[in-house]
Amino acid sequence: EVQLVESGGGLVQPGRSMKLSCAASGFTFSNYGMAWVRQAPTKGLEWVATISYDGSSTYYRDSVKGRFTISRDNAKSTLYLQMNSLRSEDTATYYCTRELMGAWDYWGQGVMVTVSS
Amino acid sequence: DIQMTQSPASLSASLGETVTIECLASEDIYSNLAWYQQKPGKSPQLLIYYANSLNDGVPSRFSGSGSGTQYSLKINSLQSEDVSIYFCQQNYDSPPWTFGGGTKLELK
Repeated sequence: EVQLVESGGGLVQPGRSMKLSCAASGFTFSNYGMAWVRQAPTKGLEWVATISYDGSSTYYRDSVKGRFTISRDNAKSTLYLQMNSLRSEDTATYYCTRELMGAWDYWGQGVMVTVSS
Repeated sequence: DIQMTQSPASLSASLGETVTIECLASEDIYSNLAWYQQKPGKSPQLLIYYANSLNDGVPSRFSGSGSGTQYSLKINSLQSEDVSIYFCQQNYDSPPWTFGGGTKLELK
């Protein structure tokens, strides 16, 4: 059974950093591109960042470029999102997702990140 | 960026009814379109990818169609468990990959 389990969220002050992790199991992690998608409270979905199966390519939305870094450790089957210089508008539930034909076929349960003083 | 306009924003339908949700892209996305279902308090789930391919385990009452800039999700014989928010998402070419604003489906 495919499982994606996020961790590392919580309350953080504006300007500070936070690192999210996503532990994957039930599939060969190193064969799949992965992504982070977020959802602000009572809002829609927003793609954040994507990483290729081998980590050689990464993509970011403009609003997080230069502040967020997506990475992966295929030996540990774990996806990461390092978030620096956090802003109030980054407040959201962050989902770890697996890529299938450009769509995302498995999602984690989500982890809440609240940026507030 | 490609904009995705979803309609209607909300929809009320009866059990057994057929429901259609539309998604309009701001440019041709060549069928690179997915549909997701998000039940209250849960993570989104993939229903349809590449405009009309049903994801594993998704009931056959769900179907997708469309091409170019216009796409639709149809739910036949509405069930109570279909009460959800539905999102379309384009994944054509280069990022950013964008979602529609969502359609909230309720029972009448």
